[in-house]
Amino acid sequence: QKEVEQNSGPLSVPEGAIASLNCTYSDRVSQSFFWYRQYSGKSPELIMSIYSNGDKEDGRFTAQLNKASQYVSLLIRDSQPSDSATYLCAVNVLGGYQKVTFGTGTKLQVIP
Amino acid sequence: KAGVTQTPRYLIKTRGQQVTLSCSPISGHRSVSWYQQTPGQGLQFLFEYFSETQRNKGNFPGRFSGRQFSNSRSEMNVSTLELGDSALYLCASSPGQTGDHEQFFGPGTRLTVL
Repeated sequence: QKEVEQNSGPLSVPEGAIASLNCTYSDRVSQSFFWYRQYSGKSPELIMSIYSNGDKEDGRFTAQLNKASQYVSLLIRDSQPSDSATYLCAVNVLGGYQKVTFGTGTKLQVIP
Repeated sequence: KAGVTQTPRYLIKTRGQQVTLSCSPISGHRSVSWYQQTPGQGLQFLFEYFSETQRNKGNFPGRFSGRQFSNSRSEMNVSTLELGDSALYLCASSPGQTGDHEQFFGPGTRLTVL
């Protein structure tokens, strides 16, 4: 089982809709969770960080964390074509030493 | 504040050669992490340096090494290059130890091994 799993997609949503991106992780003691956006040919850009259970909102983005279910998600409201990118979930996996492990990413396509 | 910078941006090498990549973190950040990104494997953690000490290391062979200087700038070196080392190498800086703090990525160095 991979430490951080994401559906590779592509996830296609119409412009203006809500895009829901999901991520599961295997290590129960993980404490820090991050979402990055990566446009093709560019480096990852931090969108959100979340450290405690519940929702965290920032503009059109909402991160949701459920540690009991080992699940973190990212909702993008009013999706725009400019949101089309690969979204990477990253988890601080505590396995003897602290390191951040990335999922392989979900490709999002927002259809105008 | 200036962002994370990486040099060079592009590099072409042949098998057996060695290469050194450089990363300058955001001013005030003491942690620098290095990642390898390939289409098949995604982002793979190489190592993290914090205050000139390697704190964490990923599952890469000893051909991959790094160091950090007193000004927090970091270099990574790959010796005896193999075709499979072709990848985008990213560094990320963080104010504290990676994992507790958000990381900010540089633009990357695209390495092609022929």
